[in-house]
Parts: sequence; C-alpha cells; structure tokens
Amino acid sequence: LAKTTQPISMDSYEGQEVNITCSHNNIATNDYITWYQQFPSQGPRFIIQGYKTKVTNEVASLFIPADRKSSTLSLPRVSLSDTAVYYCLVGPLRGTALIFGKGTTLSVSS
Amino acid sequence: EAQVTQNPRYLITVTGKKLTVTCSQNMNHEYMSWYRQDPGLGLRQIYYSMNVEVTDKGDVPEGYKVSRKEKRNFPLILESPSPNQTSLYFCASSLMWGLTDTQYFGPGTRLTVL
Repeated sequence: LAKTTQPISMDSYEGQEVNITCSHNNIATNDYITWYQQFPSQGPRFIIQGYKTKVTNEVASLFIPADRKSSTLSLPRVSLSDTAVYYCLVGPLRGTALIFGKGTTLSVSS
Repeated sequence: EAQVTQNPRYLITVTGKKLTVTCSQNMNHEYMSWYRQDPGLGLRQIYYSMNVEVTDKGDVPEGYKVSRKEKRNFPLILESPSPNQTSLYFCASSLMWGLTDTQYFGPGTRLTVL
C-alpha cells in the first residue's frame, strides 16, 4: 500500500474554501485515492474517490495532478459542521485492507 | 434501513473479565472489519474478514479474537481484557474487499477496562 502523508491539523473560518493535501509519492499504477470524513464519536464516512484529474460531488472536489503523487481534497465554503477528521487512503480497488492512519483534523470557527 | 449495528455502545469492565462486542450488518456484505481508535494514534485495524470463515489479522490483533460463522455477524472477543484495550471500537462492512466499495461503519463501542 502507498504510504500517505497529510497535515495533522488545519484551521479555517466559516465560508472559506479548505484544501487538504495528501502526499503519496509511491502510488502504484492501479491505486485509487479515497477520502473519508469522521465526526467526533462517529465512524468514518466515504466522501469522494478518484484516479486522476478531477472528481466532484455534492460534498467535495478531489484534484489529482498528472503524476498522481499527491491529491487535494477541496471543501467549498466550509461551515461549523465540517469540523471533522479527514482521512486520505490510497490503494487498489480490490484485495487490500483499508489503512486510515491519523488523518487531518479540520477545525472550523465562526 | 441499511446499517451496521454494534452492541453494547458503552461498556465498563474489569481486567480479565471476558467480553464480546457484537457487530451485525444487514447489507449482505462480504467484507467486515474491526478498528480501534485512540487519541493521537488514529484508526487502526484489528481484524478483518473477507467472507464467512475467512478472517485475518490487521495491524493490532494482539489480545483480540474474532469469528465469522455467519455473513451478517462479526463479533469481537476480548478473552482477558486489559486497561490498554480501553478504546473506541468501530465495526465496518463493505460489499467487497477493497477501496472501490464504500465502507459502512457502526456507531462505535466505547470500552473502558479498569
């Protein structure tokens, strides 16, 4: 599994766009990038997944450059309810355990 | 409603008293797993199961046992709990084993071992 590195914590204010970058230098050809969100005392929930370029859904956007050695989760106009831990996972679609790591703790203030 | 349930949600016990945390999913998922979450250490996988009667160790299996006799159930067993197993535990399931399938997590079980 590709090792991932992401910031331990980030702070933001309501209404701002937040970008969380994940580094995965040894990503393999068949690896995908997946982000999960975890609110306090709840289990993580899937946010978004991508392989290359850009993916967007109702919650977030995921930007993946051509070399795929990093990815950026973008949360538009965050609110207090976006305060959570965000995990970046990298691995093949089949045949791997999920390694969550420590994630990035995002704190949104008013 | 599709869900993963865990019981109990909260448990306080004493060292050495065997306990079982149950996990059940109603989505006919093949893959199930257990995680523990501790401050500063993130979410770490304890055991996982790719299907009935197929289980394997995760990152931190010491002190835990699991069984998968039925597809829907995946209990976590602590034969002789110790204080270092005080933690927040999550059960999860997905259709198959891998990143392509969303993992559904249970509500968590907060265990305290005195």
